[in-house]
Amino acid sequence: KQEVTQIPAALSVPEGENLVLNCSFTDSAIYNLQWFRQDPGKGLTSLLLIQSSQREQTSGRLNASLDKSSGRSTLYIAASQPGDSATYLCAVGQGGGYQKVTFGTGTKLQVIP
Amino acid sequence: SQTIHQWPATLVQPVGSPLSLECTVEGTSNPNLYWYRQAAGRGLQLLFYSVGIGQISSEVPQNLSASRPQDRQFILSSKKLLLSDSGFYLCAWSPGTGVFSPLHFGNGTRLTVT
Repeated sequence: KQEVTQIPAALSVPEGENLVLNCSFTDSAIYNLQWFRQDPGKGLTSLLLIQSSQREQTSGRLNASLDKSSGRSTLYIAASQPGDSATYLCAVGQGGGYQKVTFGTGTKLQVIP
Repeated sequence: SQTIHQWPATLVQPVGSPLSLECTVEGTSNPNLYWYRQAAGRGLQLLFYSVGIGQISSEVPQNLSASRPQDRQFILSSKKLLLSDSGFYLCAWSPGTGVFSPLHFGNGTRLTVT
């Protein structure tokens, strides 16, 4: 059974800092890994999707990397801003025919002005 | 572009009452549709998924059921709510072809059973 862990559970940084969020998974037989952002009381917004054949994906100030063999992914946020404050979740996709996805419990990020 | 609508945003229902949450997707055809529940401090739990009209698969036994009466409509129901049904319910969709496509979520429904 796939297990996805995100450490730390919460993180507080001053504005402008570069930061890294971590995601680890136990079964390396994955199809993709997706990073989401969730604002309080809201749904999940997709940030980046990395296919199993890829090593990284970039979107603006965000860069996500994937190391399947070690069961790890990182989300790098450059020059953090207060608007980046949210909970970040990673999700590992497996299986066929539909998206069999296992979610981590998230890292709650607070960027202090 | 594709959009997903989920309603209501919040709902307070007494124990034993029925439930109906609705989700619709626009701008795509034959999507895969999903209902998730998110409990405080826990990861998202997949409740139901559907790969086509009338095709529903349940991931966990529970007091809830799902239906897909139209291609882009997904409904979560219960005949009699339990206190344990309280939570944040999220509908999601992904393109029906392939497993390399991202999940897209609605804004969720906060259900409180009193």
